Amino acid sequence: GDSVTQMEGPVTLSEEACLTINCTYTATGYPSLFWYVQYPGEGLQLLLKATKADDKGSNKGFEATYRKETTSFHLEKGSVQVSDSAVYFCALSGATNKLIFGTGTLLAVQP
Amino acid sequence: GAGVSQTPSNKVTEKGKYVELRCDPISGHTALYWYRQSLGQGPEFLIYFQGTGAADDSGLPNDRFFAVRPEGSVSTLKIQRTERGDSAVYLCASSLAGGISYEQYFGPGTRLTVT
Repeated sequence: GDSVTQMEGPVTLSEEACLTINCTYTATGYPSLFWYVQYPGEGLQLLLKATKADDKGSNKGFEATYRKETTSFHLEKGSVQVSDSAVYFCALSGATNKLIFGTGTLLAVQP
Repeated sequence: GAGVSQTPSNKVTEKGKYVELRCDPISGHTALYWYRQSLGQGPEFLIYFQGTGAADDSGLPNDRFFAVRPEGSVSTLKIQRTERGDSAVYLCASSLAGGISYEQYFGPGTRLTVT
């Protein structure tokens, strides 16, 4: 069945460092891909999405490109801030409406 | 406006007891989803409602789990004969309509602990 694999954390970075969180997927057909973020004490929020191959989703300085050839959707940011500290989840949605999530990656940004 | 709300925020129950978890979706959202998130894992899909009907209940782990949405708004997830393995955070999400074009908005979750 469909699945998502993302890099394990925690990832600890200094402020202004570059971030990459890897995500790969297995799916039949052409899924939509998402990154969700969960800030401390808050609920899951959609960060960005891409609905077809080569699409780039972006929001709040984060970007991810839908790569069909490598079945990947890696999350990147050029300069992280302390306020970016959160758990990041990669997810896909295939033929049905349900979201299939990865296990999450904890990002801790130190000042 | 008001987001998705879930009650209670925390529930502790003894093994074998029955529990009900409530979800109030965003007003006007016709699609409603339940997910379960165990410690250190991502959320796992349980059930999806479109209106009053369960359009996809393939994620319910067994027949102890049941969910209803009788008027197409509030939903209740019901768990019978709870087991310690049911301990998790139960998340509810709603979207304006079904389909992957519509963003799912998540509630804060109900943390269920079965002792």
